[in-house]
Amino acid sequence: QQPVQSPQAVILREGEDAVINCSSSKALYSVHWYRQKHGEAPVFLMILLKGGEQKGHEKISASFNEKKQQSSLYLTASQLSYSGTYFCGLPQGYGQNFVFGPGTRLSVLP
Amino acid sequence: EAQVTQNPRYLITVTGKKLTVTCSQNMNHEYMSWYRQDPGLGLRQIYYSMNVEVTDKGDVPEGYKVSRKEKRNFPLILESPSPNQTSLYFCASRTSDSRGTDTQYFGPGTRLTVL
Repeated sequence: QQPVQSPQAVILREGEDAVINCSSSKALYSVHWYRQKHGEAPVFLMILLKGGEQKGHEKISASFNEKKQQSSLYLTASQLSYSGTYFCGLPQGYGQNFVFGPGTRLSVLP
Repeated sequence: EAQVTQNPRYLITVTGKKLTVTCSQNMNHEYMSWYRQDPGLGLRQIYYSMNVEVTDKGDVPEGYKVSRKEKRNFPLILESPSPNQTSLYFCASRTSDSRGTDTQYFGPGTRLTVL
C-alpha cells in the first residue's frame, strides 16, 4: 500500500525551513528518501533504519518514528537547489517490492 | 562510472506494436526494478527481480513482461502497447539487503508515448 506524504506541495523563500512527512499503514523497518528534479531521475538522499541509524545527505536530516510508522524530512535554510519533488520509499521486506509515496513538490524562490 | 542505462530515452509508437526498453547496470547489483511515473501518482513498481531468473510482480504489472537472463540486464517488454501505458519509465538497481539499507540507483528514464 502506497505511503501518504504531506504536504503535497510547498513554496519557500531561500533560507526558510520545510518539513515533509511520510506515513504508512504497515510496519516500517527502513525509510528511503529521494529527490527528483524536473525531467530527471530520482536521486537518493537518505536512509533511516530502525534503531535510529541514518545514512545520507550532508544538509538534510530526517527522523523515523517506528511506533507511529512515520518519517519526516527536515530541510533547513533551504537553497534554490533544493527545489524538486521529494519521495519517501518503503521496502516491503527482504525480497519484496518497493513502494514510493506520491511525492511532495518543493519550490524554493529567491 | 557506476550507472544504470536505459534505451531508448524517447519512444513514440502505435497501439499493438511490440516494443522493448532495455536496462543495464554496471554495479553487479542483484536487485533490479522497473517503475512507471505518472502525474500525481508518484513512482509505481511494475516488476522487480532479486537475481538472475528470479522475477516478481510489483504493483502495476498488467500489460508488461520482463526477463532476467543476465545479472546486468533487465529488459521491459510491452507485447501489445496501449495508450494507457503512455508514461515515464525508470529502471533501477540496488544490492539485496535484508536490513533495507540498500540504495537504489535510477536510470535516466524512458518517455513512452503510445498513440
